[in-house]
Amino acid sequence: AQKVTQAQTEISVVEKEDVTLDCVYETRDTTYYLFWYKQPPSGELVFLIRRNSFDEQNEISGRYSWNFQKSTSSFNFTITASQVVDSAVYFCALYAGTYKYIFGTGTRLKVLA
Amino acid sequence: GAGVSQSPSNKVTEKGKDVELRCDPISGHTALYWYRQRLGQGLEFLIYFQGNSAPDKSGLPSDRFSAERTGESVSTLTIQRTQQEDSAVYLCASSLVGGLRAGELFFGEGSRLTVL
Repeated sequence: AQKVTQAQTEISVVEKEDVTLDCVYETRDTTYYLFWYKQPPSGELVFLIRRNSFDEQNEISGRYSWNFQKSTSSFNFTITASQVVDSAVYFCALYAGTYKYIFGTGTRLKVLA
Repeated sequence: GAGVSQSPSNKVTEKGKDVELRCDPISGHTALYWYRQRLGQGLEFLIYFQGNSAPDKSGLPSDRFSAERTGESVSTLTIQRTQQEDSAVYLCASSLVGGLRAGELFFGEGSRLTVL
């Protein structure tokens, strides 16, 4: 079975704090992709990152960083020095060769000024 | 425009009526997906198109739901005899390819359906 679990339903932080959004996935496939998407209040999901199962290097893009660990089946997302504009729902997704992107239930991040 | 376009953006209908939702994917994107997002919930997979074929319809919740795609372009999602539990935002997404070369999904802004 394929599954994505985002255990954190909602997180509130104060601006400039660092925050980590957790994502745990399940798949029996050896080749798969992991994604993060951001859904701001406007509603349209925006792609943030794709990772394939053979590349465990962590990635940093500005204030965003991602930690992929196959040993724990996790693909966590950290925002450094959070800003109010980071407030959104963040979705982790898995693609494992069945044509379906399996999305987690999302984590709502509220960054307070 | 250059993005995925969905219409209508908002639809209010009475229980029992049929509705049709439209998606214009990005030109050249062969893969097209429909998802449903209930209020405060995650994304529920409905159907996937590769070209005009739908190899995976497993997510359609009942036989009241159907979808088609023509010209490897526009797709319509039809809900017959709508029920109140059909109320949700219906999201369309497209990508260059499906299969093992899964790429970035580009989403539309969604069609918000309210069934009274």
